[in-house]
Amino acid sequence: DGGITQSPKYLFRKEGQNVTLSCEQNLNHDAMYWYRQDPGQGLRLIYYSQIVNDFQKGDIAEGYSVSREKKESFPLTVTSAQKNPTAFYLCASSRGFGWNTEAFFGQGTRLTVV
Amino acid sequence: KQEVTQIPAALSVPEGENLVLNCSFTDSAIYNLQWFRQDPGKGLTSLLLIQSSQREQTSGRLNASLDKSSGRSTLYIAASQPGDSATYLCAVADSDYKLSFGAGTTVTVRA
Repeated sequence: DGGITQSPKYLFRKEGQNVTLSCEQNLNHDAMYWYRQDPGQGLRLIYYSQIVNDFQKGDIAEGYSVSREKKESFPLTVTSAQKNPTAFYLCASSRGFGWNTEAFFGQGTRLTVV
Repeated sequence: KQEVTQIPAALSVPEGENLVLNCSFTDSAIYNLQWFRQDPGKGLTSLLLIQSSQREQTSGRLNASLDKSSGRSTLYIAASQPGDSATYLCAVADSDYKLSFGAGTTVTVRA
């Protein structure tokens, strides 16, 4: 089945620790995205990548880092510099860019600081 | 900066009633608009996509309209069922296909 796989589903982080969230897609999509969702708020864009080995900051990139070494993979690292990392993180992909480009989402990773 | 607003934030209706969900956006220079469904603790499922040149899209009991000049979209769900209970999100895409999301409307359909 084609789709986007995020792992783990739940992640716990200690203060001062870096953690990495995995996102893999087998849809052969060029573009991939990371969003953060907080209760009562819309999704906010952290980083996005249009092609391999290239990525751009979104609206809330501070305290996060990404890489895009393979078309299928777009991992997100939440660093210790992110002061409020507890949130639901969603990865998405799309075929490319155009009027009918549709975004598809993974099932999310819930990160909690303990 | 694009601002997307969804009203109401929550809606409760009896089974069989039609649902009307509203989405407004501030910048009409959009590429397309998508409606998504989100179940608690889950990811987003795409429902409908409307290109900026289109006025509406239909899929089964769902119909979405777009008035780009006034910055509005409406999602209609006919003959609601308890299984329609979820949060519905709208998102608009800019020229880089970055999506701006509303906070969503949480729908409860009472049996």
